[in-house]
Amino acid sequence: RKEVEQDPGPFNVPEGATVAFNCTYSNSASQSFFWYRQDCRKEPKLLMSVYSSGNEDGRFTAQLNRASQYISLLIRDSKLSDSATYLCVVNGGSQGNLIFGKGTKLSVKP
Amino acid sequence: DTEVTQTPKHLVMGMTNKKSLKCEQHMGHRAMYWYKQKAKKPPELMFVYSYEKLSINESVPSRFSPECPNSSLLNLHLHALQPEDSALYLCASSPDQIWDGHSGANVLTFGAGSRLTVL
Repeated sequence: RKEVEQDPGPFNVPEGATVAFNCTYSNSASQSFFWYRQDCRKEPKLLMSVYSSGNEDGRFTAQLNRASQYISLLIRDSKLSDSATYLCVVNGGSQGNLIFGKGTKLSVKP
Repeated sequence: DTEVTQTPKHLVMGMTNKKSLKCEQHMGHRAMYWYKQKAKKPPELMFVYSYEKLSINESVPSRFSPECPNSSLLNLHLHALQPEDSALYLCASSPDQIWDGHSGANVLTFGAGSRLTVL
């Protein structure tokens, strides 16, 4: 099982749609969880940290399920500007370093 | 100032050249990182400096040589690279290299990257 796995997509959705991404991780000792967003040919930028109780930031909701070792990201009322690759990031390598998933590409269409 | 600044933005070099990539942050972060990213792939960790000391080297070939002159600067010296080393090189920093889920100490801020082409 790979350390951090994501569905690569692409997810093609119309404006206004709700879309959900899942990510699974293999190291049960992991403690830090993030969603980063990366636009084409740009650097990754932090979208949200993911906390045990779940957290929401506007249209974005992140959930953590430690028992099943997965993280989710829900985007409501999708905007054209949400089109990007969403990277799931988890700590837990051999020295605790952050491990990136391969990313899920989202394309929001008019 | 919440930026990580990388120079140059673009670099083209031959396999016999010696060049350097530079990274600077003034957020008081004590951990700095080099990542390599190929097209349509996630960033791959190369090196981590914590409190100006090399703490992680992910088995990177010796033709890549990192240097951390002070807490704000991180360099990556390049020598005798191969065409397959062409990639986007990303510098990042975080407040610390603590791997807990509460403090936010390991939240990464990335620079815009240096796009390297090796001919």
